[in-house]
Amino acid sequence: AQSVTQLDSHVSVSEGTPVLLRCNYSSSYSPSLFWYVQHPNKGLQLLLKYTSAATLVKGINGFEAEFKKSETSFHLTKPSAHMSDAAEYFCVPRSRGSQGNLIFGKGTKLSVKP
Amino acid sequence: GAGVSQSPSNKVTEKGKDVELRCDPISGHTALYWYRQRLGQGLEFLIYFQGNSAPDKSGLPSDRFSAERTGESVSTLTIQRTQQEDSAVYLCASRSPNNEQFFGPGTRLTVL
Repeated sequence: AQSVTQLDSHVSVSEGTPVLLRCNYSSSYSPSLFWYVQHPNKGLQLLLKYTSAATLVKGINGFEAEFKKSETSFHLTKPSAHMSDAAEYFCVPRSRGSQGNLIFGKGTKLSVKP
Repeated sequence: GAGVSQSPSNKVTEKGKDVELRCDPISGHTALYWYRQRLGQGLEFLIYFQGNSAPDKSGLPSDRFSAERTGESVSTLTIQRTQQEDSAVYLCASRSPNNEQFFGPGTRLTVL
């Protein structure tokens, strides 16, 4: 079985400062991992995905994540926060079963202060 | 191109009534998922369709929930005899050939 832990339920940063949203995974094999963002009253949008092709993954809107097997981590980062980044972020593994459904936790709420 | 669409966007119903939610996936996506998101929670997997194979219903919370899909197109999720705990946002996603899931905007269901 595999699971992820998002260590912070809420992160608050100032506009223009770096963003770090932490995600640790637990898996006996190399997982497929995704970061999704959900803005208030909007649908889920895929930010980026890890599928073992490259450990540093660049996504949309300036976000990136690095898969670190030694630390079992897949933290999401952005050099400079923008007000529009305020949203809920989910680190999501994909089920290894044939159905391939995504396994969501509670996520991390990012607030950006002016 | 067009993304995943869902209808209605909002549905308010009375306890005990049946509701039907619709999902139009991205054309060409053979796999389709239904998820449920309760207030302040992550998504719960409900059901999975892949082409003409039998659906994986392992996430359905009770026998009041059912879903159908016509070929590789529209899917409907039906909830019979709705209960207040069914209130949630119901999300549909279709999966691309490179295993990315694209979500619709969801249907917000409120059971009074």
